[in-house]
Amino acid sequence: QKEVEQNSGPLSVPEGAIASLNCTYSDRVSQSFFWYRQYSGKSPELIMSIYSNGDKEDGRFTAQLNKASQYVSLLIRDSQPSDSATYLCAPLKAGTALIFGKGTTLSVSS
Amino acid sequence: GAVVSQHPSRVICKSGTSVKIECRSLDFQATTMFWYRQFPKKSLMLMATSNEGSKATYEQGVEKDKFLINHASLTLSTLTVTSAHPEDSSFYICSARNPGDEQYFGPGTRLTVT
Repeated sequence: QKEVEQNSGPLSVPEGAIASLNCTYSDRVSQSFFWYRQYSGKSPELIMSIYSNGDKEDGRFTAQLNKASQYVSLLIRDSQPSDSATYLCAPLKAGTALIFGKGTTLSVSS
Repeated sequence: GAVVSQHPSRVICKSGTSVKIECRSLDFQATTMFWYRQFPKKSLMLMATSNEGSKATYEQGVEKDKFLINHASLTLSTLTVTSAHPEDSSFYICSARNPGDEQYFGPGTRLTVT
């Protein structure tokens, strides 16, 4: 089983819609969870972190965590063409490095 | 977010030569920094964990004698690709971890070995 699983996409949504990105992870001892955005040819940019079960909102972004289901998601409201990128989910065990899956490619059409 | 710089952003070198890449954490001290590599359309792959004042920890399959890592201070880690070959051509990205466990990435270095 892969450590991090995400649907590679592409996930296509129209401008203004809600984009829903999902991620499952295998290691139950993961304590912190991060979402990164990576534009083509660029390095990843941290957009959200979440540490406890429930929802965390930051502007148009909402991260959701369910540790019992080993599931974390990212909702992007009012999606914009500039949100088109690859989104990487990264669970973290204390004292270790982030391990990334392939990410989900999001395409927002205007 | 925190700022991590990398230098150079692009480098072209001839096969057999060595290339040094610098990674600096500009607004926090990082006892731990990481080096990743990414080939086109592939996932980020962790190469090594760089610990200030001690030897780096390399991931399985990464040659420590080929990819030399030095973390001489709390704000600087360097990666030297020794005797580079065309198959080493890739996008090398460093990251620094802050006390809150958040990892911030540098802008990356695109290495082309001819």
